Amino acid sequence: AQSVTQLDSHVSVSEGTPVLLRCNYSSSYSPSLFWYVQHPNKGLQLLLKYTSAATLVKGINGFEAEFKKSETSFHLTKPSAHMSDAAEYFCVVRTYGQNFVFGPGTRLSVLP
Amino acid sequence: GAGVSQSPSNKVTEKGKDVELRCDPISGHTALYWYRQSLGQGLEFLIYFQGNSAPDKSGLPSDRFSAERTGGSVSTLTIQRTQQEDSAVYLCASSPIEGPYEQYFGPGTRLTVT
Repeated sequence: AQSVTQLDSHVSVSEGTPVLLRCNYSSSYSPSLFWYVQHPNKGLQLLLKYTSAATLVKGINGFEAEFKKSETSFHLTKPSAHMSDAAEYFCVVRTYGQNFVFGPGTRLSVLP
Repeated sequence: GAGVSQSPSNKVTEKGKDVELRCDPISGHTALYWYRQSLGQGLEFLIYFQGNSAPDKSGLPSDRFSAERTGGSVSTLTIQRTQQEDSAVYLCASSPIEGPYEQYFGPGTRLTVT
């Protein structure tokens, strides 16, 4: 069975410091991977996607993610957090067809 | 271009009433999904459409929930005889026919059952 684990339910960083949100997946297939962000009372917005091209994927708002097959990981990073980055982040894996599996989410807090 | 739209944005209804939630996907997107998000929770998959057919209805929580899609475009999620536990944000997403089929989400409908 496919699954997505987001290792931290809540991450707190200071403004200007690096962000690391962790995601591990299990899949029997070669997956497509996505990160979404959800600001309070908003829908989900696509941050970035991995589709078996480059393993380092750049997304919007300065976010990046690196696909590591040997570790079955797809961690999300940003060099310097901004107050506007405070939100809920979801890691998603598409395994086959239209089968999407969502992680439980990580809430990012950014302290001034 | 226009994104996914949902209406109404907020709906308050009395327990036992029926409600209809509407989703307008991005033009040309063949796949459409409904999810439910309860307060402080992750996303719960409800149903998926490919064109007008629903190959996967496995997430519908009970027979009070139904959904249809017409013309390969607009979709309606209907909840009959609403219960307080139905209170949640209902999110709709669509995705294109070409891979990797990333989903584009609407802003959601917040349903409150009193």
